[in-house]
Amino acid sequence: DQQVKQNSPSLSVQEGRISILNCDYTNSMFDYFLWYKKYPAEGPTFLISISSIKDKNEDGRFTVFLNKSAKHLSLHIVPSQPGDSAVYFCAAKGMDTGRRALTFGSGTRLQVQP
Amino acid sequence: NAGVTQTPKFQVLKTGQSMTLQCAQDMNHEYMSWYRQDPGMGLRLIHYSVGAGITDQGEVPNGYNVSRSTTEDFPLRLLSAAPSQTSVYFCATRAGASPLHFGNGTRLTVT
Repeated sequence: DQQVKQNSPSLSVQEGRISILNCDYTNSMFDYFLWYKKYPAEGPTFLISISSIKDKNEDGRFTVFLNKSAKHLSLHIVPSQPGDSAVYFCAAKGMDTGRRALTFGSGTRLQVQP
Repeated sequence: NAGVTQTPKFQVLKTGQSMTLQCAQDMNHEYMSWYRQDPGMGLRLIHYSVGAGITDQGEVPNGYNVSRSTTEDFPLRLLSAAPSQTSVYFCATRAGASPLHFGNGTRLTVT
């Protein structure tokens, strides 16, 4: 049973528009959430994170929103750029995960059309 | 500064063969880990280590061994390769509570 779910395998948006990537989780013990970005033939790279004591964290064009009651988080990219085309992984960890190991979702492939 | 270096980049094995995937880091990170990435499954933790001499199992440890004799190196051993171990393997490190820092992966095919 996947504890972190990204239900959209792919997303296509036009350059300059907003990209919204969604992530749902089932484990109420998760208290820290991260987004990673992955280009082909490279390892994932850290993008942005949020603690469960917050409901929003912003870093430039990237904003992560957390809705604890719905166990849902989303990543907003505004404006989207062609260089944002990549696979985005949502990840979570909590006090009950061994040594606070990360649990990853299955990823969403974002394509930004010029 | 190389960060996390994984070798080889690609490997093809026959069923039953053994091999070691290498991971080396030059950031002096205490925490090192191995993940595998499979389509539709995301990244799943195989084994991890919180320091030299200490290792522990992750979500999918069966068929894999690890050891951590130095801070820098964390090799992953496949004892008897199976087609189900065809995957992309990532080594990742971190310092304290900072985010994981990944290598570029090893793509393994078992025929």
